[in-house]
Amino acid sequence: QLQLQESGPGLVKPSETLSLTCTVSGGSVSSSTYNWGWIRQPPGKGLEWIGNIYYSGSTYYNPSLKTRVTISIDTAKNQFSLKLSSVIAADTAVYYCARRPGHFDYWGQGTLVTVSS
Amino acid sequence: DIQMTQSPSTLSASVGDRVTITCRASQSISSWLAWYQQKPGKAPKLLIYQASSLESGVPSRFSGSGSGTEFTLTISSLQPDDFASYYCQQHNSYPITFGQGTRLEIK
Repeated sequence: QLQLQESGPGLVKPSETLSLTCTVSGGSVSSSTYNWGWIRQPPGKGLEWIGNIYYSGSTYYNPSLKTRVTISIDTAKNQFSLKLSSVIAADTAVYYCARRPGHFDYWGQGTLVTVSS
Repeated sequence: DIQMTQSPSTLSASVGDRVTITCRASQSISSWLAWYQQKPGKAPKLLIYQASSLESGVPSRFSGSGSGTEFTLTISSLQPDDFASYYCQQHNSYPITFGQGTRLEIK
């Protein structure tokens, strides 16, 4: 059974960089069938797609975040990662990683990241 | 960007009711639409993909239909476990976008 698990700091200071990692078990991030994505959800609000990465390393980002986002993949560790720079309070959200054959079929449990000094 | 608009935003219903949630796309997305259910404190769960395909393990009371710009999620007979929020999502083109959500609450 495929499982995804987000990890990283739960508190980030304004203007700093948010860094999260998604560890995949029960499957491989090197699969050409799937790509891997990050989605976030501010408290009490809806879902926002952040970006995707393919096994080849190709990436697609939400234009609203593109200048601040970097997604990378580590096939040796079976992980992919998110970096969001220059964070502000509005970046406070639950961050999810997910597998994507088009739609998002497997999700991590999510991790709350709070931006505060 | 393709805008996804769900209606209603909130829906009050009773156990046993048949309910329908609508999702409209600002331009054609063919059948590249998915529906998710989300309960408080949990990750979204995939219900329907490619507009009308039922994800494995999802009860058959859930169904999806539509193509182009108008889509519906129907729950044929509401069960207590179905009271949750529902989101549509298009993946016809980047950026991937979600509807704003529909909260299904007990009447």
